[in-house]
Amino acid sequence: ETGVTQSPTHLIKTRGQQVTLRCSSQSGHNTVSWYQQALGQGPQFIFQYYREEENGRGNFPPRFSGLQFPNYSSELNVNALELDDSALYLCASSLSAGLGEQFFGPGTRLTVL
Amino acid sequence: DAKTTQPPSMDCAEGRAANLPCNHSTISGNEYVYWYRQIHSQGPQYIIHGLKNNETNEMASLIITEDRKSSTLILPHATLRDTAVYYCISNNKFYFGSGTKLNVKP
Repeated sequence: ETGVTQSPTHLIKTRGQQVTLRCSSQSGHNTVSWYQQALGQGPQFIFQYYREEENGRGNFPPRFSGLQFPNYSSELNVNALELDDSALYLCASSLSAGLGEQFFGPGTRLTVL
Repeated sequence: DAKTTQPPSMDCAEGRAANLPCNHSTISGNEYVYWYRQIHSQGPQYIIHGLKNNETNEMASLIITEDRKSSTLILPHATLRDTAVYYCISNNKFYFGSGTKLNVKP
């Protein structure tokens, strides 16, 4: 059984660019949640996908969007990058919708210059 | 909002019990309390959860007050590897807060 994986591990972009982050959920999990974690802060919930549908969204603007695929892997897309988007982006998978017991990936460190 | 509040940091001597408090006074009756920890530069790791009764697993014990307004995570014999940020959250709101930085000292 493989755990949650994320790619890439690190990424550097410039302001105004677009970025796509990827997440493979743990085997058997149909729910993926995305979080943004700024330095020194706790994770902030961006949104959750359950069986390919968005199932809840945090206080993030529409330029943060996502997808979940039939195999339950997921993408986080961020358009028009801003300096404040620099953070660790965490993906977590779980057996069902809601918070519950989530299994986190190692994260993608995004730096926006 | 069923947000939680935790002290920003705590120290614990290696081998002693670490007791981490969490206030969740606005939690509703059907909301579970979950505890996660995050070791530096890694993704958070699930520890334990509970609703009303005290819970124990191989990692920790969770004591929830009868009025459910607060809980305590207990690491019975803290080791240096337990140094991490510990988060207490409810399963209704996806709010991690800033957690408690536990420093286990030799």
